[in-house]
Amino acid sequence: AQSVTQPDIHITVSEGASLELRCNYSYGATPYLFWYVQSPGQGLQLLLKYFSGDTLVQGIKGFEAEFKRSQSSFNLRKPSVHWSDAAEYFCAVELTGGGNKLTFGTGTQLKVEL
Amino acid sequence: GAGVSQSPSNKVTEKGKDVELRCDPISGHTALYWYRQSLGQGLEFLIYFQGNSAPDKSGLPSDRFSAERTGGSVSTLTIQRTQQEDSAVYLCASSQGITGELFFGEGSRLTVL
Repeated sequence: AQSVTQPDIHITVSEGASLELRCNYSYGATPYLFWYVQSPGQGLQLLLKYFSGDTLVQGIKGFEAEFKRSQSSFNLRKPSVHWSDAAEYFCAVELTGGGNKLTFGTGTQLKVEL
Repeated sequence: GAGVSQSPSNKVTEKGKDVELRCDPISGHTALYWYRQSLGQGLEFLIYFQGNSAPDKSGLPSDRFSAERTGGSVSTLTIQRTQQEDSAVYLCASSQGITGELFFGEGSRLTVL
């Protein structure tokens, strides 16, 4: 069955430190891959997406993600975290057959220490 | 408005009552989705509307759940005979149909006592 795994439920980093959030998927073929962010009191917002081509994709707010086919991973990174990055981050894949239906991971809650 | 609007933002109901949750998508968006977000469960797909096509109801957890979309715009998610396990945040999203680019509302938090 298609699934998305985010192994880290909570992560705490210091402001200014680098960040990597992990995402692994189980899918018959390379899916479309996405990262969304949910800030307190706000709806989910698309950070970045990968369809094909260059495996390193850039997103908004200084985030990037790298697709690694061999590891079935799509990890999210940021070189220097800001306090405002504290939020919940969701990895998502598009279901087989398209229709723009996304399967989401369970999320990683990011806490930023000042 | 500029974004996806959902109402009510919070709803507390008693077990066995029916509830209706409303979603007003971004104007011009042809696709509309409902997801459910439970603590520690991530986002669970419920139903998807695309234009005039028949909706994809494959994610509805039981026949107590139904949704409609009137005039290709506003959508209502109805939960009949609510149960405590229905307590969750119900999220609506709309899209122009571009793969993966969903715009989410802030959600309706449902608490069933």
